[in-house]
Amino acid sequence: QKEVEQNSGPLSVPEGAIASLNCTYSDRGSQSFFWYRQYSGKSPELIMFIYSNGDKEDGRFTAQLNKASQYVSLLIRDSQPSDSATYLCAVNTGGGADGLTFGKGTHLIIQP
Amino acid sequence: ETGVTQTPRHLVMGMTNKKSLKCEQHLGHNAMYWYKQSAKKPLELMFVYSLEERVENNSVPSRFSPECPNSSHLFLHLHTLQPEDSALYLCASSPGLGGDYEQYFGPGTRLTVT
Repeated sequence: QKEVEQNSGPLSVPEGAIASLNCTYSDRGSQSFFWYRQYSGKSPELIMFIYSNGDKEDGRFTAQLNKASQYVSLLIRDSQPSDSATYLCAVNTGGGADGLTFGKGTHLIIQP
Repeated sequence: ETGVTQTPRHLVMGMTNKKSLKCEQHLGHNAMYWYKQSAKKPLELMFVYSLEERVENNSVPSRFSPECPNSSHLFLHLHTLQPEDSALYLCASSPGLGGDYEQYFGPGTRLTVT
């Protein structure tokens, strides 16, 4: 059973601070990792993806991957109230036909 | 807008009705997916299509019947649903199958079964 675990939150962060979102996965064969943002009542929106160990930066967002620890994180610098949403971690094991296995998401609240 | 559209956006149906959900992608992608999102649960993969052929069916009840007439269109036909089928149904597409490709979601259809 492939599992993706996230702390459901809510995670409350003051505006301007760094928000850190964490995700662990069970399938050691997982090859690619995705972060989606989902506003209430909306569909998931892709923020970043990462395939290799280490950090990947895109604007205010940094994804970090540690395959040995089966751990992936998303850092949001200079947090804004508009970053308040649920953040979904998704993992693709690369087994050909699979879609993505999603975590339940972390609800992030940026306090003005 | 992600280039993936879904209709209708909201649907209320009785347990004896038959309805269909439609998804269209304008991205030139080769793979399309149906997901179900229920409250307090993670997104659940239902079906995967690659180049119009179904390649995955995650033990979905037969009251859900997918159809992919071409690589741009995907349907989900619904019949004799149960109240527990009420959820947000999301369509997604990706350039290809496998771990190298990101998926883009449509806006979803909010389904209520009465």
